[in-house]
Amino acid sequence: DTGVSQNPRHKITKRGQNVTFRCDPISEHNRLYWYRQTLGQGPEFLTYFQNEAQLEKSRLLSDRFSAERPKGSFSTLEIQRTEQGDSAMYLCASSLSLGQPQHFGDGTRLSIL
Amino acid sequence: RKEVEQDPGPFNVPEGATVAFNCTYSNSASQSFFWYRQDCRKEPKLLMSVYSSGNEDGRFTAQLNRASQYISLLIRDSKLSDSATYLCAVIEDTGGFKTIFGAGTRLFVKA
Repeated sequence: DTGVSQNPRHKITKRGQNVTFRCDPISEHNRLYWYRQTLGQGPEFLTYFQNEAQLEKSRLLSDRFSAERPKGSFSTLEIQRTEQGDSAMYLCASSLSLGQPQHFGDGTRLSIL
Repeated sequence: RKEVEQDPGPFNVPEGATVAFNCTYSNSASQSFFWYRQDCRKEPKLLMSVYSSGNEDGRFTAQLNRASQYISLLIRDSKLSDSATYLCAVIEDTGGFKTIFGAGTRLFVKA
């Protein structure tokens, strides 16, 4: 399967812990996006990369959140000092270029105890 | 006002019915438009892109109205398997570019 791959699929952790998620995009896609989705809502934009450059970051993304894409391939999203409000599905998507459709991974479901 | 708005529904329709959804967007500089389908606890999957001239894919037709700032999705001859949440997505030019999703419209097709 050459689609977008995310891991882990599920993460359960205690409040205050740090978590890191990984996303492997479709190999020829240079744009990579992170979203957060809660029940009954659409995906909420967090940030996106063109190759290794982080080009846009949502104002909703607090300084506890950081994302990297060091070699322009896979990306990581880290949440420090997790809070209960961070519980959500974290989705990664990739696209060939700006304006092209985005293809999503299965997501990482985060539960904060 | 939300940047992208959809009627949450749910729309309950019988098999074989025609159903239409609208999605309005507030940023006139929006550039690209898409419809996604999302099943319960699954990731969104691209249904179709929306072009200025409109486009059709089998039972699905998407249209863009730039003057009134909305996109639409028409599903003809509904199937049970069409039951899902339909999300519209808009790429905004805000200096940078970001993708804004609507909250989705739920569709239930009943036998």
